[in-house]
Amino acid sequence: ETGVTQSPTHLIKTRGQQVTLRCSSQSGHNTVSWYQQALGQGPQFIFQYYREEENGRGNFPPRFSGLQFPNYSSELNVNALELDDSALYLCASSFDRDRNTEAFFGQGTRLTVV
Amino acid sequence: KNEVEQSPQNLTAQEGEFITINCSYSVGISALHWLQQHPGGGIVSLFMLSSGKKKHGRLIATINIQEKHSSLHITASHPRDSAVYICAVRLLWGGSQGNLIFGKGTKLSVKP
Repeated sequence: ETGVTQSPTHLIKTRGQQVTLRCSSQSGHNTVSWYQQALGQGPQFIFQYYREEENGRGNFPPRFSGLQFPNYSSELNVNALELDDSALYLCASSFDRDRNTEAFFGQGTRLTVV
Repeated sequence: KNEVEQSPQNLTAQEGEFITINCSYSVGISALHWLQQHPGGGIVSLFMLSSGKKKHGRLIATINIQEKHSSLHITASHPRDSAVYICAVRLLWGGSQGNLIFGKGTKLSVKP
């Protein structure tokens, strides 16, 4: 067990709705990254938060937004859900954005958009 | 062309066999990760490498920075090793500010 907790584990939403996914980082980690993993694909980087600020973003539209709290836990929000947003969403926490430290992953949230 | 390529995509082995999974990348990196993903979805970090070789139990990971290639070896494979093995690299410069770029994974199935 990595100490990174994601909630919920599974979620079904309707197209057009909004969703919030949550991630509690490992104790002592100040950096959280979010990834989207479509079926049969490797994870794709969505964005990273470091000390409550967005610190890098992948090729995802603005309807994907996030937040990091003072305790370094994080949320991923997706507005106006589309069918293609159905995927496993992973968060990973690490000690520091600038160092080559290991990333610890949560179990993921499996989102299904119908 | 993907920046991180893994081979093979699928691999079936008999228990006890020696297994090799390969990863090639085309970008400058500061580190390479080998990850294991079980059917439930959660990812476990196996190794983080920036040079040379690391060993943990029956797993060995090597990296050749000049050739931009890494291998993950499993000795005396066991059915519990069945999982998807993913190679991910941390960019050296720019891009996603050092975040990970993943390969598509190698699905390993070890038969008893």
